[in-house]
Amino acid sequence: TQLLEQSPQFLSIQEGENLTVYCNSSSVFSSLQWYRQEPGEGPVLLVTVVTGGEVKKLKRLTFQFGDARKDSSLHITAAQPGDTGLYLCAGAMSGGGADGLTFGKGTHLIIQP
Amino acid sequence: GAVVSQHPSWVICKSGTSVKIECRSLDFQATTMFWYRQFPKQSLMLMATSNEGSKATYEQGVEKDKFLINHASLTLSTLTVTSAHPEDSSFYICSARTGGWHTEAFFGQGTRLTVV
Repeated sequence: TQLLEQSPQFLSIQEGENLTVYCNSSSVFSSLQWYRQEPGEGPVLLVTVVTGGEVKKLKRLTFQFGDARKDSSLHITAAQPGDTGLYLCAGAMSGGGADGLTFGKGTHLIIQP
Repeated sequence: GAVVSQHPSWVICKSGTSVKIECRSLDFQATTMFWYRQFPKQSLMLMATSNEGSKATYEQGVEKDKFLINHASLTLSTLTVTSAHPEDSSFYICSARTGGWHTEAFFGQGTRLTVV
């Protein structure tokens, strides 16, 4: 059973369109992080959300943590070809840095010019 | 953000040989580091948690004798794939969390292992 359900798994849209990626779980997370990964490289942290209902913005990217801290979403406005990549959500069951992260399966995003 | 360096970036080895991958935290101390494995077009799967000065904790299904982990200092953890076989070919990634509560995890650049 996948602890973190991420959807969609694959998404291909035109430049300028908007999109939302979802990350859902039945478990409560201490914090949830979003990463972007390029082929052959390690994931790069985009944002960490820790408070239920929290919204964070990173340029055209908007991240939201659910009130119950069980789900999160990533919304991209006016997508650009440079946004192409694998987006991963990852949850920490506890704080303190002692636990590994649980990853969703990822969303492969392709933005066509 | 914090920097985690992984070496080598890619390695090709013969079946039956062993390969060592290094993971270093460059600007912070990490009492705990994590090793993940990633297959093509799939997400990261946690293999083991590396604890400085003590034995690693392995996830279910991961052979501890196959994947030897040593965390001898606060800035270095190593993963040794012993007696490698083609099915061990994968992308291996390490990470470290910076400590404290609600801390982010920073990842190395990954190691592409190909066993021929």
